[in-house]
Parts: sequence; structure tokens; C-alpha cells
Amino acid sequence: AQRVTQPEKLLSVFKGAPVELKCNYSYSGSPELFWYVQYSRQRLQLLLRHISRESIKGFTADLNKGETSFHLKKPFAQEEDSAMYYCALRSGAGSYQLTFGKGTKLSVIP
Amino acid sequence: GAGVSQTPSNKVTEKGKYVELRCDPISGHTALYWYRQSLGQGPEFLIYFQGTGAADDSGLPNDRFFAVRPEGSVSTLKIQRTERGDSAVYLCASSRPMIAEAGSAFFGQGTRLTVV
Repeated sequence: AQRVTQPEKLLSVFKGAPVELKCNYSYSGSPELFWYVQYSRQRLQLLLRHISRESIKGFTADLNKGETSFHLKKPFAQEEDSAMYYCALRSGAGSYQLTFGKGTKLSVIP
Repeated sequence: GAGVSQTPSNKVTEKGKYVELRCDPISGHTALYWYRQSLGQGPEFLIYFQGTGAADDSGLPNDRFFAVRPEGSVSTLKIQRTERGDSAVYLCASSRPMIAEAGSAFFGQGTRLTVV
């Protein structure tokens, strides 16, 4: 069975500081990884997916199959980045379901 | 509407009662998902529909939970004999039918179910 681990429940950084939200996964096959974000009083929304290899709102994430990690990074945090971040995995092999981590709350201190 | 719509936003019910939660997906999204999010946890998969049929119901916790999508659009999640442990936010999501889009789901705002 697949599992997604986000080791930090809460991460506080100062505005302008670099951010790294950790995500590790366990799955024996070739998964597809995602980051979802939920801003205060808003619905859960897709931030980025590893196959797109794109940067959204300054965030990037690289899939490291050797370390089974998909950490989310941003070089300079902004106050508007404060939100709940969830890492998710789709196992592939015809599966449509996502397995989510427990989430990390990012707080950017002005 | 432009997004996934869920009703009601909040539902308080007594233990043992029956509840129905409704989801109206984005027009044209034939894939529809139900997730449950308990306090302090990430969303947990319940069931996935492709069109009218439940293609994967492996996440339903027991036979008190059932979901339908009779016309391939609106879906209803039904919970019988509710228990206090069913209290959670129930999320609905939809996506385009291609499996490449499965992870790029659009979520509703959720229904917060409280069983007292």
C-alpha cells in the first residue's frame, strides 16, 4: 500500500526566507506526485504536479525517486504563502485515487 | 456554476440518523470523487465514479456508506445509522475523464458533518 508522510505539522518562516516543505512517500511502482494547497477559508486546490515540472507562485518540487521524496521549495517566502499544504500521490496503474499526507501548515511571519 | 458545489455546507445530525450529502461537479467532468477529512488528517479517498458507475469504492469504510450518481452528474453520498466517528468534512472533487487528469481534481468546499 502507498503512504505519504509530511513530517512537519507546522512550519514557521520569516518573510523573504527560503521555504522547504518535506514530503516522503512509499510506493513500489512509479507514482505521480502532487502538491495541493488550502488557503484560509478556501477550498483545496492543486498547486503543482511533478510531471509538469513547472513553477507555480514561485514554488517548485522535484521528484527524487532514490530518496522517495517530493519536497516543495520556494526561495523567498511571502505572507500570502501562509496556508495548509498537502502532498499527494497517485499510484498509477489505472488508479484514480489520491493518497494524501496529513498536511503541513506554513506560517510566514511578516 | 464555475466550481464544484456541495450542499449542505454544514450538517448536524443525531447518532443513528440517516444523512445525504450532495455534490454538483463541474460541467463536463465525468470523473467524480468523494473524500473524507477528519480533524488533523489529510483527505482520505472514499469512492470514485466515472460517469454513472462507481469504478472504485475501495475506500468506503463499511456498508453504512453508499454513493450514487444516477445521471452521471450530481452525486449523493448516503450514510446510514450515523456514528460519532463519522464526524468529518466530506469533500467532493471532479476532473476530466482521462487518467492523466486524475490528480488534477477540482475540489468543492466540503460538507462538515457533525454527529452528536
